[in-house]
Amino acid sequence: DGGITQSPKYLFRKEGQNVTLSCEQNLNHDAMYWYRQDPGQGLRLIYYSQIVNDFQKGDIAEGYSVSREKKESFPLTVTSAQKNPTAFYLCASTPPGTGFYNEQFFGPGTRLTVL
Amino acid sequence: GIQVEQSPPDLILQEGANSTLRCNFSDSVNNLQWFHQNPWGQLINLFYIPSGTKQNGRLSATTVATERYSLLYISSSQTTDSGVYFCARETTDSWGKLQFGAGTQVVVTP
Repeated sequence: DGGITQSPKYLFRKEGQNVTLSCEQNLNHDAMYWYRQDPGQGLRLIYYSQIVNDFQKGDIAEGYSVSREKKESFPLTVTSAQKNPTAFYLCASTPPGTGFYNEQFFGPGTRLTVL
Repeated sequence: GIQVEQSPPDLILQEGANSTLRCNFSDSVNNLQWFHQNPWGQLINLFYIPSGTKQNGRLSATTVATERYSLLYISSSQTTDSGVYFCARETTDSWGKLQFGAGTQVVVTP
């Protein structure tokens, strides 16, 4: 069954702890993205990666880190430097291109709550 | 200023009614997508529509790139249409970076 999976669905963490959110896809998509959504708002881009071993900062990268060691996986680490980490985190990916601009597809999301 | 603006922010419909959601954007676009976010948070792709008109069942969308707006039409609304509708654009100078509007919260009552 092809798709984008995110785990865990819900995550609780204590202040000062780092936590890693998983995003996996078996769609052979090249580009992958991480977004953050706060209540009542649209999504904002944290990081994105066009190919393995390469990634770029989005609009709100401070306090986050990523890696892209495999095409299928793009984990996001929320560090203790992120001042307000409680949010809904969504991962997305884009099929191999017929051009630069392609449709993005989203995973089910992870709700992170800092206690 | 606001680069992707959606209106109205909230919409209450009676089942069976039709409605139009609007998305204005400040620059030219190479990618314009409409999404429906269900109550569980899943973003469901509705349309990839940088220009022109597309239809999918009771939903249709039109993007007029030269006038910098897109419209989403919901006809014969059903309670399952409830949720938040987002438009998102990608500009020519921001590869892969979707900029989202704040969304339109739609509630369809029986």
